[in-house]
Amino acid sequence: GAVVSQHPSRVICKSGTSVKIECRSLDFQATTMFWYRQFPKQSLMLMATSNEGSKATYEQGVEKDKFLINHASLTLSTLTVTSAHPEDSSFYICSARDGGGFTGELFFGEGSRLTVL
Amino acid sequence: EDQVTQSPEALRLQEGESSSLNCSYTVSGLRGLFWYRQDPGKGPEFLFTLYSAGEEKEKERLKATLTKKESFLHITAPKPEDSATYLCAVQAGGSGNTGKLIFGQGTTLQVKP
Repeated sequence: GAVVSQHPSRVICKSGTSVKIECRSLDFQATTMFWYRQFPKQSLMLMATSNEGSKATYEQGVEKDKFLINHASLTLSTLTVTSAHPEDSSFYICSARDGGGFTGELFFGEGSRLTVL
Repeated sequence: EDQVTQSPEALRLQEGESSSLNCSYTVSGLRGLFWYRQDPGKGPEFLFTLYSAGEEKEKERLKATLTKKESFLHITAPKPEDSATYLCAVQAGGSGNTGKLIFGQGTTLQVKP
C-alpha cells in the first residue's frame, strides 16, 4: 500500500515552546491529508483536514491558532503545536489517500509522540 | 450524528480460539467502512474496506463482513501475533464529504499461546 511517513517519531519539549511535525506521502501525491490525535487507550480523534494550497479545515473544539497546519506541496503537510503545554502531550498521526480523492483506503503514518514537560 | 461503536472493548483468546469483533455504526450515507490494526506506539495499518451490505473480504486469518448496521471482523484460529487493537472507521457520504474517517474506540485483542 501507499506509504506515509512522519517525522519526528518522538519529541520532548519544554512547556511554552513550539514543535513541528512533518507528514510526507512517499510514493504518491495527496491533495488532502488528515491530522488525528490519540490519547492513551483512546481512539483516534480527527483534528483537522489539511488541503494543499489552501487553509486547513479544523474540527469543532480544535484551536486553529494553537495547531497550525501548512500543506505547501502535494507530498508534505506540517503540524505545528504552538506554545505547547503538558495537556498537549499526545500521539499525533497523519493520514493521506492515494490520489487525494474522497474515497478509498486512507493510509496512516507511524505517528509522532509529543511529550511536553 | 455519525457514530461508530465497537465491542467488546477488550478480548482475550487462547491461540486457536476463533471469535468475532463487532462494529456498529450510524452514518448518513455510508461511503465506506474500514478496518485497521494498530500495534502499541504505531500508526494504524490498513486491513479492509467494505462498501456495501453483503460484502465480505478476507486476508489470512481475518474476514470482514458488512450489513446495513454493523460490521464484523472474524478471526479464525488466531495466533499470538494477531494481538493488537483493531479499529473500525466509517466515511460518511452526502454533501460536504471531505473523505475523513470517524473511528470507533477499538477492540484490544490479546491472544495467549
